[in-house]
Amino acid sequence: KQEVTQIPAALSVPEGENLVLNCSFTDSAIYNLQWFRQDPGKGLTSLLLIQSSQREQTSGRLNASLDKSSGRSTLYIAASQPGDSATYLCAVRMNTGFQKLVFGTGTRLLVSP
Amino acid sequence: DTGVSQDPRHKITKRGQNVTFRCDPISEHNRLYWYRQTLGQGPEFLTYFQNEAQLEKSRLLSDRFSAERPKGSFSTLEIQRTEQGDSAMYLCASRETTGTSPLHFGNGTRLTVT
Repeated sequence: KQEVTQIPAALSVPEGENLVLNCSFTDSAIYNLQWFRQDPGKGLTSLLLIQSSQREQTSGRLNASLDKSSGRSTLYIAASQPGDSATYLCAVRMNTGFQKLVFGTGTRLLVSP
Repeated sequence: DTGVSQDPRHKITKRGQNVTFRCDPISEHNRLYWYRQTLGQGPEFLTYFQNEAQLEKSRLLSDRFSAERPKGSFSTLEIQRTEQGDSAMYLCASRETTGTSPLHFGNGTRLTVT
C-alpha cells in the first residue's frame, strides 16, 4: 500500500528566504507526482505535475524535483512571500492504471513579513 | 473556464438525515473525482467517473454513499443516514483525458453532522 509522508508538518520562515518542502513515498512504481497548494477552507490548487520519466518541473519561483528510485520529491520555493503562506500537499498516482491520487498530510507554511 | 463548482459550500445536518452534494466540473473535462478530507489530513479518494461511467470506488465508499454522473456532465454525491464520522470536507475534481493533465479541484462542501 502506497504511503506518502511530508516533512516538516509545519514551517515558519521570514519573507525572502528560500525553502524546501519534502515528500517521500514508499512505492516507487508511480505514474506521476503532483504538488498542490491549499488555502484555509478552500480546495486545492495544482502547482506542478512531474511525470515519472521527468526529473524536475519549474513554474516561476517554484521548482519541483523527483527521484523516483529513492521515493522522494522536493518543492523548492525561492524568495518566499507572505502570499505563499498555505498548506502544501504532494500526491502520487500509481502506475497501475488506477486514477486515484494518494496524498500526504501536507506541510503548513507560514511566511512572515 | 469558470473552474470546478461545488454546491453547497456548507451543510449542517442532523445524524440520520440524507444529504446530497453537487459538482459541476470544468466543461471540457470528461474525468471527475470525489475526495474526502478531514482536518489536518490530506484528501482521500472516494470515486472516479469517466464520462457517465463510474470506474473506480474506494472501500471508504460504504453502501450509504452513492455517486452519479448522469449524461457525463455534473455529478452528485449522496450520503444516506448520515453519521457524525461523515463530517468532513467533500472535494470534487476534474481533468482532461490526457495522462499529463493536472487535477483541478473545487472549493469543496463542508459537511457537519450534529
